[in-house]
Amino acid sequence: TQLLEQSPQFLSIQEGENLTVYCNSSSVFSSLQWYRQEPGEGPVLLVTVVTGGEVKKLKRLTFQFGDARKDSSLHITAAQPGDTGLYLCAGRGGGSNYKLTFGKGTLLTVNP
Amino acid sequence: GAVVSQHPSWVICKSGTSVKIECRSLDFQATTMFWYRQFPKQSLMLMATSNEGSKATYEQGVEKDKFLINHASLTLSTLTVTSAHPEDSSFYICSAQSGAHQETQYFGPGTRLLVL
Repeated sequence: TQLLEQSPQFLSIQEGENLTVYCNSSSVFSSLQWYRQEPGEGPVLLVTVVTGGEVKKLKRLTFQFGDARKDSSLHITAAQPGDTGLYLCAGRGGGSNYKLTFGKGTLLTVNP
Repeated sequence: GAVVSQHPSWVICKSGTSVKIECRSLDFQATTMFWYRQFPKQSLMLMATSNEGSKATYEQGVEKDKFLINHASLTLSTLTVTSAHPEDSSFYICSAQSGAHQETQYFGPGTRLLVL
């Protein structure tokens, strides 16, 4: 069974601060996805990383996939209240295994 | 982009009744659909994988007779919670994956179920 450890579980910061969320596993994933979910809604895909060492940027969000494809991080610069939400990482195994393994999520609150 | 809808968005029912939730891929054909369950402030828990035209594959600990899944077409999967009880109250989310983009699952908006 592939497990993803996500940390921190809760994070409350002030507007303008930077933050990093981590997603770690002992398993190798063929790809890793980051989602953001707001209360009462389904997760929305932010990014998919596939290649070890890959770095992707989405405005103030920077995503990195570890060289060994076992871990990933999400860094947010100058957080804004609109960034508030549940951030989920999800890893996909290789081959015909299409299932996603989700981390427990990081509940981010950005206070104005 | 790929859009997945769910119906209903919320439902309240009495204990002992059955509830059907629909998941539709609106602008693509979904060879595989997934059903998840999510409790407040927790992550998504995969319940089952649904492939069009074949029986669903359930995760360990999920009762297949309790949660009936039917994937009758490439754009529709249904989850029926049979003889619902208060402990079945949860947020149910489906996702769909197309054959062309197997790396990505597109999630529906979820269905809030409250069993009284």
